[in-house]
Amino acid sequence: ILNVEQSPQSLHVQEGDSTNFTCSFPSSNFYALHWYRWETAKSPEALFVMTLNGDEKKKGRISATLNTKEGYSYLYIKGSQPEDSATYLCAFRSSASKIIFGSGTRLSIRP
Amino acid sequence: GAVVSQHPSWVICKSGTSVKIECRSLDFQATTMFWYRQFPKQSLMLMATSNEGSKATYEQGVEKDKFLINHASLTLSTLTVTSAHPEDSSFYICSASSGTSVIDTQYFGPGTRLTVL
Repeated sequence: ILNVEQSPQSLHVQEGDSTNFTCSFPSSNFYALHWYRWETAKSPEALFVMTLNGDEKKKGRISATLNTKEGYSYLYIKGSQPEDSATYLCAFRSSASKIIFGSGTRLSIRP
Repeated sequence: GAVVSQHPSWVICKSGTSVKIECRSLDFQATTMFWYRQFPKQSLMLMATSNEGSKATYEQGVEKDKFLINHASLTLSTLTVTSAHPEDSSFYICSASSGTSVIDTQYFGPGTRLTVL
């Protein structure tokens, strides 16, 4: 059974602090890993798609790294702002065209 | 750009009735559309993938006769929950992609909350 796990489940961070969280996925049959941000009452928004081991992607204060050999990806947020409050989802895509989402990390930024 | 709408945003129905949920790509052609279900405190679970003009591919454990998916045009897919029962109460969300590759971005709708009484 393929499993994608995200940790921690929730996180409270002081505004201005940096933070990171993890997505763990199967290390076999890897094709791509997607990160999404999902704000309450809105649609999930695509952040990154990563395909190669060692990939690093950056969008403003948010960046992500990928290790396909050991099956994990980190998402980093530098200098957290209140607008970063959201649930961050990762989704693993395998060669069998499976799409498996983690249950997300809920991030709250304290002003 | 890349906006996906979903209608209705919430629906309450009686047990035994059927409910149709629409998913539209507003500013791009959606070659592939995906339907997900999310139970409380759980992750998004893929139900089916549909390509325009062809039959949907259902994930294991999803009853195709109960969850009818139609992707008749490049901008519209519908999910019909037939003979709904309380256990079908859930959050249903669609996404659309302009391609068929695993690296293509999925653009999500805002979801539909279904409550079956």
